[in-house]
Amino acid sequence: KQEVTQIPAALSVPEGENLVLNCSFTDSAIYNLQWFRQDPGKGLTSLLLIQSSQREQTSGRLNASLDKSSGRSTLYIAASQPGDSATYLCAVGTNTGNQFYFGTGTSLTVIP
Amino acid sequence: KAGVTQTPRYLIKTRGQQVTLSCSPISGHRSVSWYQQTPGQGLQFLFEYFSETQRNKGNFPGRFSGRQFSNSRSEMNVSTLELGDSALYLCASSESGALSYEQYFGPGTRLTVT
Repeated sequence: KQEVTQIPAALSVPEGENLVLNCSFTDSAIYNLQWFRQDPGKGLTSLLLIQSSQREQTSGRLNASLDKSSGRSTLYIAASQPGDSATYLCAVGTNTGNQFYFGTGTSLTVIP
Repeated sequence: KAGVTQTPRYLIKTRGQQVTLSCSPISGHRSVSWYQQTPGQGLQFLFEYFSETQRNKGNFPGRFSGRQFSNSRSEMNVSTLELGDSALYLCASSESGALSYEQYFGPGTRLTVT
């Protein structure tokens, strides 16, 4: 069974700092990987989707990379803002239909 | 396009009762997945429906069931509720029926079992 881990579990940074969130998975036979953010008590907002054949995806201040062979993905957030404060989740898509395995999440706080 | 909608948003039930949650996917999306989110276990996959057929199922007891209608709307039912079923239930829709595609989540239904 696919196991997805995110480190650190919580992160607090001053506004303006660049930061990296980590996601690791045990089975490299993935179809894709998706990064989400979740605000307290809310649903998930999709940030970036990387297909297994891709190395990275960018959207605005966000850049996600994927290294299948080592079972790792990183989400880079440039010039962090207080509005970036949320829990960030990575989810690994399988080769067996629409089933994603989620990581435990990183709770990010950006201090003004 | 309208996003994924879930009803009701909040629900309080008593142990032993049953509950039905509803999810309307984004127009044109044919796949609907359901997830349970709890502080202790995080997000866990319940099941996925595509074209009215259950295609994938997670590791949950038979008290958890679902169905999908011809318009792609989906319902999830939990029978004989237990305190441990208290959770945020999220549904996600995606465009394709093939392998894992980008998923769009609804706001969730917060279920509290007393």
